[in-house]
Amino acid sequence: KAGVTQTPRYLIKTRGQQVTLSCSPISGHRSVSWYQQTPGQGLQFLFEYFSETQRNKGNFPGRFSGRQFSNSRSEMNVSTLELGDSALYLCASSMGGHTGELFFGEGSRLTVL
Amino acid sequence: KQEVTQIPAALSVPEGENLVLNCSFTDSAIYNLQWFRQDPGKGLTSLLLIQSSQREQTSGRLNASLDKSSGRSTLYIAASQPGDSATYLCAVTPGSSGGYQKVTFGTGTKLQVIP
Repeated sequence: KAGVTQTPRYLIKTRGQQVTLSCSPISGHRSVSWYQQTPGQGLQFLFEYFSETQRNKGNFPGRFSGRQFSNSRSEMNVSTLELGDSALYLCASSMGGHTGELFFGEGSRLTVL
Repeated sequence: KQEVTQIPAALSVPEGENLVLNCSFTDSAIYNLQWFRQDPGKGLTSLLLIQSSQREQTSGRLNASLDKSSGRSTLYIAASQPGDSATYLCAVTPGSSGGYQKVTFGTGTKLQVIP
């Protein structure tokens, strides 16, 4: 059974550009959540999608957005990149209930120059 | 607002020792608590999931306990090995109706097991 797949694994952008990251969840999982990990702030929740609907959103500016497709694959987009957006972006999938176990991908390492 | 703290932040032990990692959370209204390990530059690997109605879970050399009333969880690692070296994170799922997967992570404990 394939795990959570995130692409791209590494990318470098410059300030002001935008970026789109992709996440394919485990087959059968309907919930996808996104997290930002930085040395200073640790792991912070971005948003969570279930059946193409955003159910929860963390405390991030509107430059951070996401969506989920009918096949449960999800994308997140960051517009007008800032230096502080450099981070490891992690995606997790689960069945979707409150008690669901989270399974993470390897992450997308974004560097903003 | 849920806050999750892990102490110690770093731990270095000789191979073979049994050790305990701690996780404290401020709001006891949780659905579950999950322990993960993270290797440098990698994603998170799920170790154990404890539902709010459970007291402990075991997997191989790992045992995790949960005490909701005191807001604490511990991860016990028996007979530690150099391959256990990693950062260990705990995460809680809130019990509020809008808390689907709005998980709060702890600050992590970086473990080094010395051969």
